[in-house]
Amino acid sequence: DQQVKQNSPSLSVQEGRISILNCDYTNSMFDYFLWYKKYPAEGPTFLISISSIKDKNEDGRFTVFLNKSAKHLSLHIVPSQPGDSAVYFCAASFLGTYKYIFGTGTRLKVLA
Amino acid sequence: GAVVSQHPSRVICKSGTSVKIECRSLDFQATTMFWYRQFPKQSLMLMATSNEGSKATYEQGVEKDKFLINHASLTLSTLTVTSAHPEDSSFYICSARAGTALSGANVLTFGAGSRLTVL
Repeated sequence: DQQVKQNSPSLSVQEGRISILNCDYTNSMFDYFLWYKKYPAEGPTFLISISSIKDKNEDGRFTVFLNKSAKHLSLHIVPSQPGDSAVYFCAASFLGTYKYIFGTGTRLKVLA
Repeated sequence: GAVVSQHPSRVICKSGTSVKIECRSLDFQATTMFWYRQFPKQSLMLMATSNEGSKATYEQGVEKDKFLINHASLTLSTLTVTSAHPEDSSFYICSARAGTALSGANVLTFGAGSRLTVL
């Protein structure tokens, strides 16, 4: 049973436009969510996180939105750059623990 | 920032042999490290939690005798895949918590991963 789902395996966006990556979860008890970026042959690197008491968190070009009622979060990248091309994983956890449940990832390709 | 180093990055071995993967926290101490496995086109799955000075905690379905974890110091955890078989071929990634992060208390730093291929 996949508790964290990323239904789009891939996404292509033109440079300068907005990239929107989506993530759905099933367990309403999750209270902390993260986005990681992964390049080939490298480990995931932390991008941005959000706790369940918020509905938005922004860091530069990256914004994460959380809709608890829909059990949905999204990552917005504006403006998208070719260097953003990577696989993006969302993860859910319980605050105070480090047990992450990862989605299957979305491969983002930003076209120059 | 915090760095987690993993070695080797790539290993090929014969079926039946054992392979050891090292995970080091380079500029911080990690009392707890986490081992993940990723099969092609699948998500990262937590295998076990490695605790310095005590036994590792394994996730359901992960054989502890197959995947031996040793966390002998505050900066080193090792994963040994014993009697490896082709179905053990996977991408193994370790992670650690680098104290409290300004961006969130639950942030883990990941190593670059080790790709194991068992022939």
